[in-house]
Amino acid sequence: SQTIHQWPATLVQPVGSPLSLECTVEGTSNPNLYWYRQAAGRGLQLLFYSVGIGQISSEVPQNLSASRPQDRQFILSSKKLLLSDSGFYLCAWSVSREVNTIYFGEGSWLTVV
Amino acid sequence: AQTVTQSQPEMSVQEAETVTLSCTYDTSENNYYLFWYKQPPSRQMILVIRQEAYKQQNATENRFSVNFQKAAKSFSLKISDSQLGDTAMYFCASNNAGNMLTFGGGTRLMVKP
Repeated sequence: SQTIHQWPATLVQPVGSPLSLECTVEGTSNPNLYWYRQAAGRGLQLLFYSVGIGQISSEVPQNLSASRPQDRQFILSSKKLLLSDSGFYLCAWSVSREVNTIYFGEGSWLTVV
Repeated sequence: AQTVTQSQPEMSVQEAETVTLSCTYDTSENNYYLFWYKQPPSRQMILVIRQEAYKQQNATENRFSVNFQKAAKSFSLKISDSQLGDTAMYFCASNNAGNMLTFGGGTRLMVKP
């Protein structure tokens, strides 16, 4: 069966520091991968998605970037965090290219102080 | 572009009773899925139920069922025999040929003992 893991689960970072959130999927190949952000008490916003290694599409211009160095690895990064980057970040995956179910990881709670 | 609307920010139900959460959507796609996700206090997004738009039969998963009205673009979730563990945020979502999820704003459900 397929599983998705992301880490760290909780992160407190000062303004201006770098960020790296990592996500891996097991049990499938060539998945679509996604990063979503959820601000406190609100719905989910799609940040990035990837249909293959090195292929990243950004939905919202911002202080963050994403990379996909391996087929089942998706990384969310920032060189310098802003206070507004605080939130709950969720990695997700789906079978590639088909209209299909999207499954989420456990989430990472980022607080920028 | 797709839109998903949940008109009930908060709802409550007594344990063992039935509750219905409302969702309407708008899409120009012919091929799409609809979902209900549950987000408990742990914040992980858990798939509750999904409906393929081409299927007329309403999806059912144990105590959870949907009322899918395609012409009206309505997709409500019925929870029967509500349990305390059903307390959570519930998000309605739809995806499209690009497999991008669009979420509603969520409904906070409280199950009371």
